[in-house]
Amino acid sequence: DGGITQSPKYLFRKEGQNVTLSCEQNLNHDAMYWYRQDPGQGLRLIYYSQIVNDFQKGDIAEGYSVSREKKESFPLTVTSAQKNPTAFYLCASSMGPQGGNTEAFFGQGTRLTVV
Amino acid sequence: GQNIDQPTEMTATEGAIVQINCTYQTSGFNGLFWYQQHAGEAPTFLSYNVLDGLEEKGRFSSFLSRSKGYSYLLLKELQMKDSASYLCAVRDWRGNTPLVFGKGTRLSVIA
Repeated sequence: DGGITQSPKYLFRKEGQNVTLSCEQNLNHDAMYWYRQDPGQGLRLIYYSQIVNDFQKGDIAEGYSVSREKKESFPLTVTSAQKNPTAFYLCASSMGPQGGNTEAFFGQGTRLTVV
Repeated sequence: GQNIDQPTEMTATEGAIVQINCTYQTSGFNGLFWYQQHAGEAPTFLSYNVLDGLEEKGRFSSFLSRSKGYSYLLLKELQMKDSASYLCAVRDWRGNTPLVFGKGTRLSVIA
């Protein structure tokens, strides 16, 4: 079955540690995105990538880093510089421009808690 | 700037009809999307409008007026399982640019 997979579903991190969230898709989508969701805040864009080996900062990129070495994969690293990392992280993907104006498909999310 | 507004919470009765409004102000416009999100789960796609008018999909319909920067999601024959958050999102440029989301409307369906 085609889809987008995030792992792990729950993640606990000690303060001062970096942690990497995995996102893999087998939909052959060109574009991938990372959003953060906090209660009452909606989805806020962290980083996005429209093509392999290229990515752009979103609205809240500080304290995060990404890579896009393969079309299928877009991992997100939450660094110790992120002041308030506890949140629900959602990865999404969508087709490239040749696919028209299509919706984004979401992974099941990773809930990160700093302890 | 970009601004997408929707009511924070709504309550409706099982079997009834509910309308969730969304207004937007974005630098460009290339489509409006509605998603449903149950607590702790991923958003799932419901509908898409790029031209003015009504799009119907079973119990769900979505309407768009580009001149007014306005959309609504209409849910008919409400069921308890429709209790969820409903997210309005806009793509402001072509192709695969990121969606910009509103804060979502939490709908509670009561018996």
